[in-house]
Amino acid sequence: DQQVKQNSPSLSVQEGRISILNCDYTNSMFDYFLWYKKYPAEGPTFLISISSIKDKNEDGRFTVFLNKSAKHLSLHIVPSQPGDSAVYFCAASATHAGNMLTFGGGTRLMVKP
Amino acid sequence: DTEVTQTPKHLVMGMTNKKSLKCEQHMGHRAMYWYKQKAKKPPELMFVYSYEKLSINESVPSRFSPECPNSSLLNLHLHALQPEDSALYLCASSQGQARSYNSPLHFGNGTRLTVT
Repeated sequence: DQQVKQNSPSLSVQEGRISILNCDYTNSMFDYFLWYKKYPAEGPTFLISISSIKDKNEDGRFTVFLNKSAKHLSLHIVPSQPGDSAVYFCAASATHAGNMLTFGGGTRLMVKP
Repeated sequence: DTEVTQTPKHLVMGMTNKKSLKCEQHMGHRAMYWYKQKAKKPPELMFVYSYEKLSINESVPSRFSPECPNSSLLNLHLHALQPEDSALYLCASSQGQARSYNSPLHFGNGTRLTVT
């Protein structure tokens, strides 16, 4: 049973436009959420995170939104750049589990020039 | 460049071989992790070491044997693996096993393992 789901396996966006990547979770104990970015032949790289006490966190071109009632979070990238093309993983953790992360299946983002 | 270094980058081994994967970090992190990632799947946690002691084993078969010689090094010893064990093995580290909002997991680039 997948506790973290990314229902879109891939997303294609034009350069300069907004990319929106979505993530849903089922475990109500999750209270910390992260997005990782992964290029081929590399390990995941931390991008941005959000605690459940917030509903938005922004870092440059990247903004993560959290809707606790819907158990849904999204990552917005504005403006999208070709270098953003990668696989994006949503991850979640619960306080009692410390840094143990549960990952979603990933969304491959392709930003076209 | 990642601050978590994994060697080798690629490994091909037979089912009767014994090999080891190595991971090193010099960020002063006291928690280290092994994850396994199959193609088009998310990373799955295998083991967690906290202060050089095994704290979590996610029901991993005994043909995988982790070792943490010191706070900077993490090994994964492999023996009698099966072809279905072929995957990308990722090492990660964090300041501690307890969650720190300012210290997410840092991953290495992984070892691509093929079992023939």
